Amino acid sequence: KQEVTQIPAALSVPEGENLVLNCSFTDSAIYNLQWFRQDPGKGLTSLLLIQSSQREQTSGRLNASLDKSSGRSTLYIAASQPGDSATYLCAVPLGSQGGKLIFGQGTELSVKP
Amino acid sequence: EAGVVQSPRYKIIEKKQPVAFWCNPISGHNTLYWYLQNLGQGPELLIRYENEEAVDDSQLPKDRFSAERLKGVDSTLKIQPAELGDSAVYLCASSLDTSPEQFFGPGTRLTVL
Repeated sequence: KQEVTQIPAALSVPEGENLVLNCSFTDSAIYNLQWFRQDPGKGLTSLLLIQSSQREQTSGRLNASLDKSSGRSTLYIAASQPGDSATYLCAVPLGSQGGKLIFGQGTELSVKP
Repeated sequence: EAGVVQSPRYKIIEKKQPVAFWCNPISGHNTLYWYLQNLGQGPELLIRYENEEAVDDSQLPKDRFSAERLKGVDSTLKIQPAELGDSAVYLCASSLDTSPEQFFGPGTRLTVL
């Protein structure tokens, strides 16, 4: 059974810091891994999707890495800003590329001015 | 390009009442998902459609929940009768059959009193 875990559950940093969010999964036979952002009371915004054949993906100040063998992914945020404050969730599909996503519980990030 | 549209955004009902949620996916996306998100948790899949066909409804409580996607475009999720434990956010997502990336709508926040 695939389980996805995110540590820490909450993180508070001062503005300008570089930070890393962690995601681990129990079954390394994944097709891809997707990172999302969720603002309070809002839906999920897709940030990055890494295919199983890739090791990392970058978008602006965000960089996501994937190590299938160790069952881990990290989301690196450079030069954090107060606008980055949100909950970040990682998810892997079950059974196929477009299968249902198994989500972690999320990391709630607060960036203080 | 318009994103996934959901309505209503908020709904408050008394227990035992029926309720329905509507979702219009991104144009051209043939796969549609309904997820349920409890407070502080990651979303969990209720049902997945490929065009008009429900290909994964194993997590849908069929005694009170039903869903339809008659023309393979928009979809309706219904609860009848609602229970207190159904209070949650109901998220709709869609994807292309050529890409695993799922795009989410803003969700419907249901409160059952």
